[in-house]
Amino acid sequence: AQTVTQSQPEMSVQEAETVTLSCTYDTSESDYYLFWYKQPPSRQMILVIRQEAYKQQNATENRFSVNFQKAAKSFSLKISDSQLGDAAMYFCAYKGTSGSRLTFGEGTQLTVNP
Amino acid sequence: DAGVIQSPRHEVTEMGQEVTLRCKPISGHNSLFWYRQTMMRGLELLIYFNNNVPIDDSGMPEDRFSAKMPNASFSTLKIQPSEPRDSAVYFCASSQGRQVPNQPQHFGDGTRLSIL
Repeated sequence: AQTVTQSQPEMSVQEAETVTLSCTYDTSESDYYLFWYKQPPSRQMILVIRQEAYKQQNATENRFSVNFQKAAKSFSLKISDSQLGDAAMYFCAYKGTSGSRLTFGEGTQLTVNP
Repeated sequence: DAGVIQSPRHEVTEMGQEVTLRCKPISGHNSLFWYRQTMMRGLELLIYFNNNVPIDDSGMPEDRFSAKMPNASFSTLKIQPSEPRDSAVYFCASSQGRQVPNQPQHFGDGTRLSIL
């Protein structure tokens, strides 16, 4: 069974600085998909970024980028120029190709200090 | 485009009562998921449907929980009888399923359930 681990329960960053959230996963599949979701205090689950395992290029969405290391089974999220609105719980998620379900990590609570 | 719609947004009821949570997935999505989120256990998948058929209900905690999807545009999660430990935020999500595997799940705003 696939597992997703986020080893940082809490992180903090100064406004305008850069922060990296860690995520590792375990799988025997060669093809799969990885996602980062953001959950602000409003409790909505918002997709931040996605990565296909067969793509070597790291995904980027504006200030958000990932460092995908397939051999190491690592999928970290980098937030550049952090803003107060980035404060949220961030979840890493794995999806295999054989089904529809997502496997979520435990989450990392990000605080952005002004 | 309308996202996943859940109702009610909040529900407060006394233990022993029946609770019904409702979800309308995004049109065209053929996979639907019910999750429960608590501080202690995080985000748990309770059940998911593909083309209105339950595929995996191994996350349903016990027989007090049941879920149905009578058609492609509506699903319910029912708890009967409810207990205080069922208090949580319940999310519904939908996706395009296996046909488009790289597409993410889209979540509703959740129902905050409090059982007194």
